[in-house]
Amino acid sequence: AQKVTQAQTEISVVEKEDVTLDCVYETRDTTYYLFWYKQPPSGELVFLIRRNSFDEQNEISGRYSWNFQKSTSSFNFTITASQVVDSAVYFCALREGGGGNKLTFGTGTQLKVEL
Amino acid sequence: DGGITQSPKYLFRKEGQNVTLSCEQNLNHDAMYWYRQDPGQGLRLIYYSQIVNDFQKGDIAEGYSVSREKKESFPLTVTSAQKNPTAFYLCASSMTGTLAKNIQYFGAGTRLSVL
Repeated sequence: AQKVTQAQTEISVVEKEDVTLDCVYETRDTTYYLFWYKQPPSGELVFLIRRNSFDEQNEISGRYSWNFQKSTSSFNFTITASQVVDSAVYFCALREGGGGNKLTFGTGTQLKVEL
Repeated sequence: DGGITQSPKYLFRKEGQNVTLSCEQNLNHDAMYWYRQDPGQGLRLIYYSQIVNDFQKGDIAEGYSVSREKKESFPLTVTSAQKNPTAFYLCASSMTGTLAKNIQYFGAGTRLSVL
């Protein structure tokens, strides 16, 4: 069965610090997709990134970067020079290659960025 | 504006009462989903529908029912059989077809409480 683990329940940083959110996954499929979503206090989940299992290339988007390592089954998310607006709950999710487009979510990491 | 609209934002249920949560999308997506979020937990899938007039149970379907009579709409009924309905409910939609298109986009959620 597939599983996503986000061991960090809550992280607090001071603005401009860099922060990394960890995500470890388990799956027996060779084809799968990994996602990160942001949930601000308003509640809506905002899609950030999708990565497929065949593409281990790291990605950078502005202050955000993602490190995908199949050898350790991890898909970590780094925010550089954090800002107060980055305060939110961040979820990592896994979709296996079979039908149904079902996502398995981790329990989320609450990030608090303070001035 | 294209998007997913959930209503109401807040809902209160009395003992023994059925309540219906609305989810409408104008993204022309074929697939729609309902998730439940409890404090400190990830999202858990209740029901999903890949096409009109068809839907499948997710991981926690007991005590819930859905219908999919129109492509744009996927209402969720929380029945009296659901003994612990207090939670935050999120609706999502996605395209179907190739795996590359199956990003799920979310509404702003409905917070359900029991009186």
